[in-house]
Amino acid sequence: DAGVIQSPRHEVTEMGQEVTLRCKPISGHNSLFWYRQTMMRGLELLIYFNNNVPIDDSGMPEDRFSAKMPNASFSTLKIQPSEPRDSAVYFCASSLSGAYGYTFGSGTRLTVV
Amino acid sequence: DQQVKQNSPSLSVQEGRISILNCDYTNSMFDYFLWYKKYPAEGPTFLISISSIKDKNEDGRFTVFLNKSAKHLSLHIVPSQPGDSAVYFCAARGSEKLVFGKGTKLTVNP
Repeated sequence: DAGVIQSPRHEVTEMGQEVTLRCKPISGHNSLFWYRQTMMRGLELLIYFNNNVPIDDSGMPEDRFSAKMPNASFSTLKIQPSEPRDSAVYFCASSLSGAYGYTFGSGTRLTVV
Repeated sequence: DQQVKQNSPSLSVQEGRISILNCDYTNSMFDYFLWYKKYPAEGPTFLISISSIKDKNEDGRFTVFLNKSAKHLSLHIVPSQPGDSAVYFCAARGSEKLVFGKGTKLTVNP
């Protein structure tokens, strides 16, 4: 299995632009999680899906952030408009529902200038 | 309000000695605790876990201890190796999601 695949690996964008991060979970996993890593806050959960349905989006910082999971093999995290404080590493993870461990992707390093 | 706290941002030990990484939590409803290891430019990878009904779990050089009354867990690495140098995240499961600490950067010196 190729694991959780995220794209792009790096993204540099200008403030105000729209940014879309992509994730392909492990085949057969039915839970998907988006995390953001910063020095100040560590790894924080933004949103998670179960069977393609958003279950908890309480970690999404504000309305500029949105996430979708149109099918079991694809999810996107969109930031519109982006701001410099959104600069961070964004991780996607997947698991089987109820499993206590997640498999993480390699992350997308986002820089907003 | 941080539910999972790793109060030491960094730790440095000599090769062959013991590394002890600590983690505190506030929510008594957490049912599973995990340690993840992260190398630069990679995602976190699962290392070891412990159920809330146990107080110790061992896997080779890695042992996790859980003290429920103190709401404290620790990861022991014996003996430490240079390849263990990484950021270690403590995580706790509650309501079907993992809550992570900020991480501790471990450096093992040859």
